[in-house]
Amino acid sequence: SQTIHQWPATLVQPVGSPLSLECTVEGTSNPNLYWYRQAAGRGLQLLFYSVGIGQISSEVPQNLSASRPQDRQFILSSKKLLLSDSGFYLCAWLPQGMYSYEQYFGPGTRLTVT
Amino acid sequence: AQTVTQSQPEMSVQEAETVTLSCTYDTSESDYYLFWYKQPPSRQMILVIRQEAYKQQNATENRFSVNFQKAAKSFSLKISDSQLGDAAMYFCAYRSQASYDKVIFGPGTSLSVIP
Repeated sequence: SQTIHQWPATLVQPVGSPLSLECTVEGTSNPNLYWYRQAAGRGLQLLFYSVGIGQISSEVPQNLSASRPQDRQFILSSKKLLLSDSGFYLCAWLPQGMYSYEQYFGPGTRLTVT
Repeated sequence: AQTVTQSQPEMSVQEAETVTLSCTYDTSESDYYLFWYKQPPSRQMILVIRQEAYKQQNATENRFSVNFQKAAKSFSLKISDSQLGDAAMYFCAYRSQASYDKVIFGPGTSLSVIP
């Protein structure tokens, strides 16, 4: 069966520090991968998605970036965190192709920028 | 571009009663999927139910059912015999078959269950 991992689960970082969040999927190959951000009590904001290694689509301009160095690994990064980067970050995967159905989500990372 | 609207930011229901959460979407496409996700306090996103647009029959999963009105672009979720564990944020989501790489989420409805 497929599983999705995210780490760390919780992170507290000062403003101006770098960020690296990692997401890995097991039990599938060539998935679509997604990064979402969720502010407290709010909806999901799509940040990036990837349909293959090295292929990244950015949905919102900001100081975050994403990379996909391996088929089942998706990394969210920042060189210098802002206070507004605080939130709950969710990684998700979707089987490739139009005949797959729903996304599957990881447990999330709670990021607090101080 | 497609949009998903959930007009009820918050709702409450008495335990064992029935509640309906609303969702409308805007699209010019005919083939797509609709979903309801639940996000409990743990914040893990859990799929509740899925509807394929080509299916006229409304999807059901135990106490959860949908009312899918394709012409009206409406996709409501009915929770019967509400339980305390149903308290969560509920998100309606849309996925096009044409632009099948992206999923569009509504803003969510926070459901409280009153004992």
